[in-house]
Amino acid sequence: KAGVTQTPRYLIKTRGQQVTLSCSPISGHRSVSWYQQTPGQGLQFLFEYFSETQRNKGNFPGRFSGRQFSNSRSEMNVSTLELGDSALYLCASSRSGQALGETQYFGPGTRLLVL
Amino acid sequence: SQKIEQNSEALNIQEGKTATLTCNYTNYSPAYLQWYRQDPGRGPVFLLLIRENEKEKRKERLKVTFDTTLKQSLFHITASQPADSATYLCALDRYQKVTFGTGTKLQVIP
Repeated sequence: KAGVTQTPRYLIKTRGQQVTLSCSPISGHRSVSWYQQTPGQGLQFLFEYFSETQRNKGNFPGRFSGRQFSNSRSEMNVSTLELGDSALYLCASSRSGQALGETQYFGPGTRLLVL
Repeated sequence: SQKIEQNSEALNIQEGKTATLTCNYTNYSPAYLQWYRQDPGRGPVFLLLIRENEKEKRKERLKVTFDTTLKQSLFHITASQPADSATYLCALDRYQKVTFGTGTKLQVIP
């Protein structure tokens, strides 16, 4: 069974631009969560999607948004990029969602650098 | 909000010894607690889950304990090997939002 895939793996953008990251979950998984990981803050929860609906959201500004498609693939978008948005963005999938204590399977991440 | 503390300093141990990593939390007790391993440049990989009504869980050389009174989980790797070198993250949830610790970097020295 293929694992979670994320594209692109690396991205360089400049301040003020916007970016869209993509995540394909494991087949059969309906929940996709997004995380931002930085050396200082660790792994921080952005949002979770389940069956095309945002089920939960972390404490990030509205510049961070996401969506999920009917095939469970998910995208996240960051508008008006800031230097502090430089991070590793990870997505994780599970069958029913993180709230049920299920194992989350993480992708390799997208490394975003904002100049 | 839930706060989690893991040793921010790296833990260096000799091969063959038992590594013990600590995860302390504040506020409410989580419904469950998970431990993940993360290698550089890769996403975390799930290792073990322990629920609030469980005291201990084992899987091969790994053992996790959960003390809701102390608000602490300990993660043990027995007979450690250089291949165990990685960053280990704990994650907790009760109110439908998983919170991760910043992780402890473990270095097993041959």
